[in-house]
Amino acid sequence: DIQMTQSPSSLSASVGDRVTISCRASQTITKYLNWYQQKPGTAPRLLIYSVSSLQSGVPSRFSGSGSGTDFTLTISSLQPEDFATYYCQQTYLIPITFGQGTRLEIK
Amino acid sequence: EGQLVESGGGLIQPGGSLRLSCAASGFTFSDHYMDWVRQAPGKGLEWVGRSRNKANTYTADYAASVKGRFTISRDDSKNFLYLQMNSLKIEDTAVYYCARGFWSGYHTFYYSMDVWGKGTTVTVSS
Repeated sequence: DIQMTQSPSSLSASVGDRVTISCRASQTITKYLNWYQQKPGTAPRLLIYSVSSLQSGVPSRFSGSGSGTDFTLTISSLQPEDFATYYCQQTYLIPITFGQGTRLEIK
Repeated sequence: EGQLVESGGGLIQPGGSLRLSCAASGFTFSDHYMDWVRQAPGKGLEWVGRSRNKANTYTADYAASVKGRFTISRDDSKNFLYLQMNSLKIEDTAVYYCARGFWSGYHTFYYSMDVWGKGTTVTVSS
């Protein structure tokens, strides 16, 4: 199975900060990398697909980059509604696997 | 845009069976791959399995943790996805989400899950 490792596991930041979350795959996954946002008690929401494509309706302050095994989700200027848990996901091979999540908290 | 609504969760004893349903609306259900993803209390997301569409003969894949116990099926005439769960274990306790598969790209197609239901809770306990 492909292991997805996110760092950090948790992060404290302030409104207006630029935030970066990393995701590393245990083997190359080309561009089969997606990012999801989840708020407590709600379903995950697709933010970024295929490394860097912004899902419809997602604010442009979210962006994704990377290739091969190393990927990054960046939020350019944190807004109050961005405090949530973020997951990366690989769909290169079955079983589909997720990172363990990065919890973004208000400082 | 599409909507998914899960149902069928509840409290079940270890070793029991349960069938979850996912009602789809607002899109052509038969065109899409569909996934089940679960989340144990306080834990991260775990992929459970996937149903391919009719064009791909409805074949399914499963996570190792549920293979042989869980079965995914679908009824395209009713726009429903199902998850039959047998021989349930305490560690199957989770919120179960169904999600719509989304293929993007041109020469190479990449897979993600773009529409999610709100989930249904399964609790396995004696």
